[in-house]
Amino acid sequence: EVQLVESGGGLVPPGGSLRLSCAAFGFTFSDHYMDWVRQAPGKGLEWVGRTRNRANGYTTEYAASVKGRFTVSRDDSKNSLYLQMNSLKTEDTAVYFCVRESMGSYVWFDPWGQGTLVTVSS
Amino acid sequence: DIQMTQSPSSLSASVGDRVTITCRASQSISNYLNWYQQKPGKVPKVLIYAASSLQSGVPSRFSGSGSGTDFTLTINGLQPEDFATYYCQQSYTTHLTFGGGTKVEIK
Repeated sequence: EVQLVESGGGLVPPGGSLRLSCAAFGFTFSDHYMDWVRQAPGKGLEWVGRTRNRANGYTTEYAASVKGRFTVSRDDSKNSLYLQMNSLKTEDTAVYFCVRESMGSYVWFDPWGQGTLVTVSS
Repeated sequence: DIQMTQSPSSLSASVGDRVTITCRASQSISNYLNWYQQKPGKVPKVLIYAASSLQSGVPSRFSGSGSGTDFTLTINGLQPEDFATYYCQQSYTTHLTFGGGTKVEIK
């Protein structure tokens, strides 16, 4: 079964750091671009960032709201995706989802992990 | 980044109704448009990609149309399990932005 399982969420004070992890199962992780998407409580979906695969140099991209503070990385040997979050702000409070990008000309997100809650508060 | 605007933000409908949700992009995105469904407490699920292609396993009462800047998601014959929030997403650029969502509630 294709599955993504996030971990690492929790309560962190403003200005703090947190590292999220996502374990992938049931597919060739190294082939796919992988992304993080977040959803603030009661709000909509916001794309956070992406890492491309080895064939595309593991390059990354970020939403403007997190650029310079968040870092997406991956370890293909462990079938794992990471999100390092620094200089956290209260507005970063959200459920963070790990998602797999489809392969091909048209891109969509499937599957989604169950999400991990990050709360930034003093 | 491309801005995606959905309307309405919420609607009330009855079982059996035909429901239409619109999504507008701030610039042309050809047909690089996806639709997701999110039920309360659940993760989003892709319904339609490439503006009108139905994802495997999605009921045929769901359909998508449009190109350029204007898109629609139609549900023909709303079912109880369709009450949820729907999001559009553009995949024309590498920053895959979402619309704000449309909540479909029971009338």
